[in-house]
Amino acid sequence: DSGVTQTPKHLITATGQRVTLRCSPRSGDLSVYWYQQSLDQGLQFLIQYYNGEERAKGNILERFSAQQFPDLHSELNLSSLELGDSALYFCASSPGRSISSYNSPLHFGNGTRLTVT
Amino acid sequence: AQSVTQPDIHITVSEGASLELRCNYSYGATPYLFWYVQSPGQGLQLLLKYFSGDTLVQGIKGFEAEFKRSQSSFNLRKPSVHWSDAAEYFCAVGVGGQGGSEKLVFGKGTKLTVNP
Repeated sequence: DSGVTQTPKHLITATGQRVTLRCSPRSGDLSVYWYQQSLDQGLQFLIQYYNGEERAKGNILERFSAQQFPDLHSELNLSSLELGDSALYFCASSPGRSISSYNSPLHFGNGTRLTVT
Repeated sequence: AQSVTQPDIHITVSEGASLELRCNYSYGATPYLFWYVQSPGQGLQLLLKYFSGDTLVQGIKGFEAEFKRSQSSFNLRKPSVHWSDAAEYFCAVGVGGQGGSEKLVFGKGTKLTVNP
């Protein structure tokens, strides 16, 4: 058990809809990272938050947004969903603002599997 | 651009045989290197990491990896594979971003099948 909790585990929705994925980081971790895993693209970095503020952005679509709340949990919002958004979405956490801060790797949750029909 | 290459998409070994999974990276600076394992329906579990120092690193479940700067490689090894090692293995490199931030860039993964 990594200590990172993601809900829900599975989500099935229709095209055009909006969903919210939730992540609770490990106790004490201030950074939250979101990754998307799909068969064709592999694991792609979406966005990082550190202590409530956006820290780094990757290949995140404009239809997607995220935030990190004062209690450090994070939510990833996906809107105007398309079939191609079907994927496994992972959240990961780490203590510092960067991987090298505490020589600490990322610890991943078990992911949310999103199916868009 | 930074990249990680895992040349073998799928590897099959017999239980008890040795294993080596290859990983090559492209990154200008000294990399932070990681191996993660993903079992079906599960998240990514960290096997081992390299930040600096000894180039041979030991991880969990009897795995080890060796960082070879001259070859830009970080191959994962295990002397004797168990059936429970069947999973997908991902190599990742930590790369610098703006303002000192970093992200992990992952390879496409190698799926390991273990025959009894």
